Amino acid sequence: ELKVEQNPLFLSMQEGKNYTIYCNYSTTSDRLYWYRQDPGKSLESLFVLLSNGAVKQEGRLMASLDTKARLSTLHITAAVHDLSATYFCAVEWYSGGGADGLTFGKGTHLIIQP
Amino acid sequence: SQTIHQWPATLVQPVGSPLSLECTVEGTSNPNLYWYRQAAGRGLQLLFYSVGIGQISSEVPQNLSASRPQDRQFILSSKKLLLSDSGFYLCAWSEKRKAFFGQGTRLTVV
Repeated sequence: ELKVEQNPLFLSMQEGKNYTIYCNYSTTSDRLYWYRQDPGKSLESLFVLLSNGAVKQEGRLMASLDTKARLSTLHITAAVHDLSATYFCAVEWYSGGGADGLTFGKGTHLIIQP
Repeated sequence: SQTIHQWPATLVQPVGSPLSLECTVEGTSNPNLYWYRQAAGRGLQLLFYSVGIGQISSEVPQNLSASRPQDRQFILSSKKLLLSDSGFYLCAWSEKRKAFFGQGTRLTVV
């Protein structure tokens, strides 16, 4: 059974600081997603990481994937208030018959204070 | 372009009442469709997925059921809601190994 663990689950930080969110998963997968969710809203796709060593950056967010360690990180650089949200990582799985799906971590609730 | 419609956006239902949430996808054919639930303070849990019309797989035992009467329609139902069914329900579809989410339904069972 695929398990995905994120930490921390809650993070409060000041603007301008850096921090990293970690996502560990239990079985082999070569595709990992990061999503952002604002309160009461659906999920917004941030990054799709496709292979070992993949690194993607968008603005102040940078995501990386180490498939050997089964670890992905989401790094926040010089945080700003607009980045306050809940961030989810999700790992792709496959089953017989052509189905695929995502197993999500519990999310990291990020609050960035002025 | 592909779009996904999910409704209603918000629902308040009494315990013991039936439920029907609907999700439709446009701009694609034979998608894989999914229902996820996000309970308060928890992550997203996959409830059901479907690879085709009439084909439903359940990930967890629960008070809910799903149906796929048409290729691009996915319905989440319950005959009698429980308090524990409250949560944020998200429909999703995938194609070429990308997942797209609907806007979600906030269900409160009172």
